[in-house]
Amino acid sequence: ILNVEQSPQSLHVQEGDSTNFTCSFPSSNFYALHWYRWETAKSPEALFVMTLNGDEKKKGRISATLNTKEGYSYLYIKGSQPEDSATYLCAFKGSQGNLIFGKGTKLSVKP
Amino acid sequence: DAGVTQSPTHLIKTRGQHVTLRCSPISGHKSVSWYQQVLGQGPQFIFQYYEKEERGRGNFPDRFSARQFPNYSSELNVNALLLGDSALYLCASSSGPGQGAYEQYFGPGTRLTVT
Repeated sequence: ILNVEQSPQSLHVQEGDSTNFTCSFPSSNFYALHWYRWETAKSPEALFVMTLNGDEKKKGRISATLNTKEGYSYLYIKGSQPEDSATYLCAFKGSQGNLIFGKGTKLSVKP
Repeated sequence: DAGVTQSPTHLIKTRGQHVTLRCSPISGHKSVSWYQQVLGQGPQFIFQYYEKEERGRGNFPDRFSARQFPNYSSELNVNALLLGDSALYLCASSSGPGQGAYEQYFGPGTRLTVT
């Protein structure tokens, strides 16, 4: 059984704080690692698809790194804003092309 | 361009009934995947279709079935509904088959409640 673990489960930060979350996944048979941002009552929003060991991707204040050899990815948010409040999901791409999701990290940013 | 659309948005059914959920992918996308998300868990993979063929199936009972039409839209059918089928059902579309680093774009989901 393939497990994707995310930590922490939830996080409360003040506006302006920088923060990061961790996603751990199986290091064998790696195809891709996806990050999504999911606000309540909306569709999950694709942030990054990462495929290569050492990959670093950035979108505005959000960036992500990938280590396929040890099986982890970090998502960083610089200068958190209240609109960053959401659940951040990572997903490991399995051999069928399906996404295997973690339970997510719920971020709350207080003004 | 419209994103992934799903219908209906909410649905209430009773145990033993069947349900059909619908999904229209992003224009030009040929792959549709279905996921079930229950509270407190990440989405769980149910099916993937590419070019109207089933390409992957998750660990769900045979009561769950799906198909993809020539216009690449898809239906998810669930028979003999159980209380435990209550969940948010998400559809995702992609431009390519499951294998490979194709992004999957999600719809807003259908919230199914079984009473």
